[in-house]
Amino acid sequence: EIVMTQSPATLSVSPGERVTLSCRASQSVSSNLAWYQQKPGQAPRLLIYGASTRATGIPARFSGSGSGTEFSLTISSLQSEDFAVYYCQQYNKWPTFGPGTKVDIK
Amino acid sequence: QVQLVQSGAEVKKPGASVMVSCKTSGYPFTDYFMHWVRQAPGQGLEWMGWLNPNSGFTKYAQRFQGRVTMTRDTSISTAYMELSGLRSDDTAMYYCVRDLVTIAVAGIFDYWGQGTLVTVSS
Repeated sequence: EIVMTQSPATLSVSPGERVTLSCRASQSVSSNLAWYQQKPGQAPRLLIYGASTRATGIPARFSGSGSGTEFSLTISSLQSEDFAVYYCQQYNKWPTFGPGTKVDIK
Repeated sequence: QVQLVQSGAEVKKPGASVMVSCKTSGYPFTDYFMHWVRQAPGQGLEWMGWLNPNSGFTKYAQRFQGRVTMTRDTSISTAYMELSGLRSDDTAMYYCVRDLVTIAVAGIFDYWGQGTLVTVSS
């Protein structure tokens, strides 16, 4: 099983700030990496797949980068609706998720 | 528009089985693989397996082998997930999730059901 780790566990941010979240895989997953956003009481929403391709309807302030074992998700200017938990997920082999990064209000 | 509507919350005793349904609309049901993902309260996400709605073929995560069964009824565009031998640590929200890619399995989850809370308690 490919183990995914994310850092930090929690990030306290002010609206308008630039935010970068990190994700690491225990072995190479090539570019088979997705990011999801989950708000309380809701199902997750696909943001990014293929490490850097935005899903349909996702604002351009969300961007993804990386390959192999190191990945990042950047939110260029955090909006109020972006406070949520963010999960990375590899799909190179059987899908596994990271433990999540909670982005909350500073 | 694409919709995945799941059955309602369930409360089960340890050792029992539960079946969760996922009725789909807005797209060709047999063209997209269906996955099931669960999330224990306050915890992360765990993939359980996938179903090919066209063939009925399934692939399950190793930790659920022997306990989970995924099926479908193409006449009503509905997928099902049955989990047996329930334990307290099976208490979780269970999601059906559509794969992004048509005809093949990618493991990218683009449309999610609203979730079904399964509580296992004596």
